[in-house]
Amino acid sequence: ETGVTQTPRHLVMGMTNKKSLKCEQHLGHNAMYWYKQSAKKPLELMFVYNFKEQTENNSVPSRFSPECPNSSHLFLHLHTLQPEDSALYLCASSQDVLRGGDTEAFFGQGTRLTVV
Amino acid sequence: AQKVTQAQTEISVVEKEDVTLDCVYETRDTTYYLFWYKQPPSGELVFLIRRNSFDEQNEISGRYSWNFQKSTSSFNFTITASQVVDSAVYFCALSGRPYNNNDMRFGAGTRLTVKP
Repeated sequence: ETGVTQTPRHLVMGMTNKKSLKCEQHLGHNAMYWYKQSAKKPLELMFVYNFKEQTENNSVPSRFSPECPNSSHLFLHLHTLQPEDSALYLCASSQDVLRGGDTEAFFGQGTRLTVV
Repeated sequence: AQKVTQAQTEISVVEKEDVTLDCVYETRDTTYYLFWYKQPPSGELVFLIRRNSFDEQNEISGRYSWNFQKSTSSFNFTITASQVVDSAVYFCALSGRPYNNNDMRFGAGTRLTVKP
């Protein structure tokens, strides 16, 4: 199993649809993240979860709703998206240095989302 | 405020050439971490190196080397004898907190194309 797995790999949805992105990490990490990667823009950090608690929400519109049921799983629920939300959504995980880990994040392969 | 600048948007070289990817950062933190990630066409970001602000030793790993210069706030990445498999987008990133990367900031990335 790869360290961080994201499903689906590709998703096309209409503006009125509701869909969810899933992320699972098999590394025993305690922090998980959602990033958005748009064309010709830097990676944008969207949400951060530490020990299942959301610790950061970087002014993300409410049409994106994260859920972290446990430290291994992270979801991003999508509803009434806009075409400009089309992007690669990357999930990552990491482990605190204080708990024996290193600071680098490990990323999944991403979900390529297209909103039509 | 933290900022990472990768001024080179795209670089194209011929196989076996050496290539340097530039990274300049801004931070007010005295303790920080710098990272390089590789993003191949498959999408996931692959961790390459982490360097903390107290360690200015340059590092070499096979054909890869990194030059950290605090005096110029730069963390440049050199690939020696480039290969076609090195073709990818490379991201430099900065994290200001010592124990996690909740605030990791990425540069815009440099797309490297290595031609046979």
